[in-house]
Amino acid sequence: AQSVAQPEDQVNVAEGNPLTVKCTYSVSGNPYLFWYVQYPNRGLQFLLKYITGDNLVKGSYGFEAEFNKSQTSFHLKKPSALVSDSALYFCAVRATTDSWGKFQFGAGTQVVVTP
Amino acid sequence: DTEVTQTPKHLVMGMTNKKSLKCEQHMGHRAMYWYKQKAKKPPELMFVYSYEKLSINESVPSRFSPECPNSSLLNLHLHALQPEDSALYLCASSQEGGGGGETQYFGPGTRLLVL
Repeated sequence: AQSVAQPEDQVNVAEGNPLTVKCTYSVSGNPYLFWYVQYPNRGLQFLLKYITGDNLVKGSYGFEAEFNKSQTSFHLKKPSALVSDSALYFCAVRATTDSWGKFQFGAGTQVVVTP
Repeated sequence: DTEVTQTPKHLVMGMTNKKSLKCEQHMGHRAMYWYKQKAKKPPELMFVYSYEKLSINESVPSRFSPECPNSSLLNLHLHALQPEDSALYLCASSQEGGGGGETQYFGPGTRLLVL
């Protein structure tokens, strides 16, 4: 069985400070890992994903994430947060053994960036 | 163009009504998905269509009836819904529906209120 944990319900950060949203996972086999962002009353927007290769993945809007196999983590980071980054962030995992497209989503982390 | 469109944006219906949600993508994707999302919660998969055939039905009540007229269109027919069915209904699409590192692209959703 696969699972994803986002240990923080909410992350508060001041504009201009670094932003980190944590994600840990558990899967059988190698994982495919994704980050999505959701603004109020909108659908999920794809930010980035890890499939294989370089552990540091760069994505949209200045976000990046680092895959750490030993710690089974895939934390999302942004060097300098903007107020417009305030949104709900979801980490998702899919196992390489999964034969079709089902994601296992984390519970989500609300990011609040204050001016 | 990574756009999935959904209509209507908002829908209010009574428990005896029949209505339909519509989803369209022009990315040439062959897999389409319906998700249900409650406020501040991760999306829950309802149905998966791959190459216009229903691949996954996550034990969804029969008052929800999906239809895939062609590879670009996906409908969700609603009948005799309950107030607890009120939620944001998200459509998504992906290249093949084969899982792995495939990205799902989400539409903006239809906000459904059942009275």
